[in-house]
Amino acid sequence: GENVEQHPSTLSVQEGDSAVIKCTYSDSASNYFPWYKQELGKRPQLIIDIRSNVGEKKDQRIAVTLNKTAKHFSLHITETQPEDSAVYFCAASIYGGSQGNLIFGKGTKLSVKP
Amino acid sequence: NAGVTQTPKFQVLKTGQSMTLQCAQDMNHEYMSWYRQDPGMGLRLIHYSVGAGITDQGEVPNGYNVSRSTTEDFPLRLLSAAPSQTSVYFCASSYSPRVSGRSTNEKLFFGSGTQLSVL
Repeated sequence: GENVEQHPSTLSVQEGDSAVIKCTYSDSASNYFPWYKQELGKRPQLIIDIRSNVGEKKDQRIAVTLNKTAKHFSLHITETQPEDSAVYFCAASIYGGSQGNLIFGKGTKLSVKP
Repeated sequence: NAGVTQTPKFQVLKTGQSMTLQCAQDMNHEYMSWYRQDPGMGLRLIHYSVGAGITDQGEVPNGYNVSRSTTEDFPLRLLSAAPSQTSVYFCASSYSPRVSGRSTNEKLFFGSGTQLSVL
């Protein structure tokens, strides 16, 4: 089955700096890669996703890149703000497959210092 | 729409007790799933369902049962609770392209979570 590795487990940046979180996946059939943000005590919420037919996707200060050959994808947050502090999870699945189950990485705790 | 509703929010059990975590969604989603979240372990899939009457095991199914008698409800049962089941449980739902033929994404909508402690 799919296995998703996520690094780093913790990340601390100064406000205004950029943050990068990286994930690798094992199943070459995976074609859908979302990122979820979970604030303390809250439920995870989708912030951005990318499909395998696209190499990069941006939404304001966040962007995701995908390298299918190397089987890794990354989340980039620019001009970080204190409200970006949260745990971020990457995930992978086979979109349109028999289950489409999302398999998550272990998460990255991002702290943005004012 | 209420979205995904989970009850209870908190529960304390003694080892060996049984209980059911309730999950309901009003978005007519075909796909529903249960995840557990433990510190440093991320979200691990317990069981999932792609439609009424259909359930299957995820990554960590041992000790848990599920059923899907309606599209709206997907309860998770702990038959004999163990301390290793102390965790935060999240129910989630989404559209299922395979079942519905939709071309929409697989955005998961999560419930608010249940914090379970087994003593």
